[in-house]
Amino acid sequence: DSGVTQTPKHLITATGQRVTLRCSPRSGDLSVYWYQQSLDQGLQFLIQYYNGEERAKGNILERFSAQQFPDLHSELNLSSLELGDSALYFCASSVDWKTQYFGPGTRLLVL
Amino acid sequence: AQRVTQPEKLLSVFKGAPVELKCNYSYSGSPELFWYVQYSRQRLQLLLRHISRESIKGFTADLNKGETSFHLKKPFAQEEDSAMYYCARNPGYSSASKIIFGSGTRLSIRP
Repeated sequence: DSGVTQTPKHLITATGQRVTLRCSPRSGDLSVYWYQQSLDQGLQFLIQYYNGEERAKGNILERFSAQQFPDLHSELNLSSLELGDSALYFCASSVDWKTQYFGPGTRLLVL
Repeated sequence: AQRVTQPEKLLSVFKGAPVELKCNYSYSGSPELFWYVQYSRQRLQLLLRHISRESIKGFTADLNKGETSFHLKKPFAQEEDSAMYYCARNPGYSSASKIIFGSGTRLSIRP
């Protein structure tokens, strides 16, 4: 167990809907990273937050947004969902940006 | 653009045979290279880092700057090595760096 938690574990929703995924980093880790893992795209970096501020952006769609709160937990908001958004969404945290500790992921299914 | 290339999507070897998972990266500065592993139904976890020069679960990886490679090797594969392996890099020059993952190689060990 890496200490990173994610909720919910599974999420089933319909196209056009909006969902929020939550991540709690390891105690003491200031950085939170979000990744999308799909069968055809592999592991894709979405966005990084450091102590509440956005630090790096990857292949994140405009329909997606994230934030990190003062208690350092983070939320990833996915809106106007499409079938292709079905994937496993991972959160990771790190203290020194070098080694990342991953959460168990949230499996999103868009029907 | 910085890239991490894992040319093999799937690698299947017999138990006891040597394993080599290939990883090449685009050269930029002094990158840090990692191997992450994801066992079935488990979270992604760090396997090893090039700067540690360690052997984890019998795996080693040597950074070859001339060939810009960081191949993962194990002399004798075991069935429990079956997993998804991701090579990753950090540019190594900024806390705002984003880790870049390769597309992954699924290693299947046949009994």
